Amino acid sequence: GAVVSQHPSWVICKSGTSVKIECRSLDFQATTMFWYRQFPKQSLMLMATSNEGSKATYEQGVEKDKFLINHASLTLSTLTVTSAHPEDSSFYICSALGRTRLRTEAFFGQGTRLTVV
Amino acid sequence: TQLLEQSPQFLSIQEGENLTVYCNSSSVFSSLQWYRQEPGEGPVLLVTVVTGGEVKKLKRLTFQFGDARKDSSLHITAAQPGDTGLYLCAATRGGSQGNLIFGKGTKLSVKP
Repeated sequence: GAVVSQHPSWVICKSGTSVKIECRSLDFQATTMFWYRQFPKQSLMLMATSNEGSKATYEQGVEKDKFLINHASLTLSTLTVTSAHPEDSSFYICSALGRTRLRTEAFFGQGTRLTVV
Repeated sequence: TQLLEQSPQFLSIQEGENLTVYCNSSSVFSSLQWYRQEPGEGPVLLVTVVTGGEVKKLKRLTFQFGDARKDSSLHITAAQPGDTGLYLCAATRGGSQGNLIFGKGTKLSVKP
């Protein structure tokens, strides 16, 4: 099956610094990727839709200047959390849209645990 | 607003027991997915149901899509400790594939 890889798996950063998270589709090309955030004991909430070669579409309430998304190639999308604060600590998960033999499907990365201290 | 309500939120059972978890909504969906998520990992797709009334089986897991395509259930027969995890239902939002809304999940713990 299609594989999506996130890097890093976990990161600890100081308040006020920026952190970049990468999402790669390893064996397929993805024109569309999605970024989700999951707080403890809660479900995944979509933050933004990342489209290759164009600007990301952000969900209501998600600050586009704080969560910078770049989808410069068909296999890589990055999420940069700028000026991170402790309340940004969360589990960030990406997914990439790919085609299987039967259908178009979203394949998820393994997630990145961000802790801001 | 499309919402997916899952129940129960938590379930702790002994190995060998059967269980059913539910995913309900007031909205009609063209398809619905079930995922399983382990701690510290991304969700893994178990099944997609598309047709109202559809039943799909995956070994000891049976998935059903409601006739009206508003609800779904997941039944596990003879649960094993390896079934422990967070079970999430999800549906495509606004017809945009990959743009998913998720339920809050059912956290299942199967004790040996």
